[in-house]
Amino acid sequence: EVQLLESGGALVQPGGSLRLSCVASGFTFNNYAMGWVRQAPGKGLEWVSDISGNGGNTFYADSVRGRFTISRDNSKNTLYLQMNSLRVEDTAVYYCAKEAGSEAYGHLDSWGQGTLVTVSS
Amino acid sequence: DVVLTQSPLSLPVTLGQPASISCRSSQSLVYSDGITYLTWFQQRPGQSPRRLIYKVSNRDSGVPDRFSGSGSGTDFTLKISRVEAEDVGVYYCMQGTRWPLTFGQGTRLEIK
Repeated sequence: EVQLLESGGALVQPGGSLRLSCVASGFTFNNYAMGWVRQAPGKGLEWVSDISGNGGNTFYADSVRGRFTISRDNSKNTLYLQMNSLRVEDTAVYYCAKEAGSEAYGHLDSWGQGTLVTVSS
Repeated sequence: DVVLTQSPLSLPVTLGQPASISCRSSQSLVYSDGITYLTWFQQRPGQSPRRLIYKVSNRDSGVPDRFSGSGSGTDFTLKISRVEAEDVGVYYCMQGTRWPLTFGQGTRLEIK
């Protein structure tokens, strides 16, 4: 059974930084691309970033490009999202999600439970 | 960016009655490989999203067969043949054909 467990969410001030983690189990992690999707309070889903299975290809939404960095450590079955220069509008629950293959994107077939990031002074 | 427009945004349905949600895309969602990467998700209250349908019409494992997806090009539909209480929640379409990945605004299904 696929399991994705996010952590790292917290209250942070505008301009601050945070690193989210997502530990995966139940599948061969390095065989699958992974992604992050966020959901602001009471709002819809917004794709944030994706990374290929070997970490060589990364993709970002315009709203986070240059501020957020997605990465992975396949030896630890862990996905990361480094978030810098945080803004109030980055406040959201952040979900990690599994893709359908190493270079297969836009599938998001399994999701974690999410971790809440609150950006506020 | 590809804009996905869902309708209706709110859908009150009587138990046992059918329901239908439309998702219209601003561009064709047919990829260069000939496959249309249109996905439907369900988000029950207080839960994470769950994928229901992928590539327009393929049901995920464990999804009841009362859920079905159809459509082509720019127009897609999610249908529930007979709504049950556990179907309450918000439904999103998503396209995976072009970067960035984009979602519809969501349709909130409630029991009338």
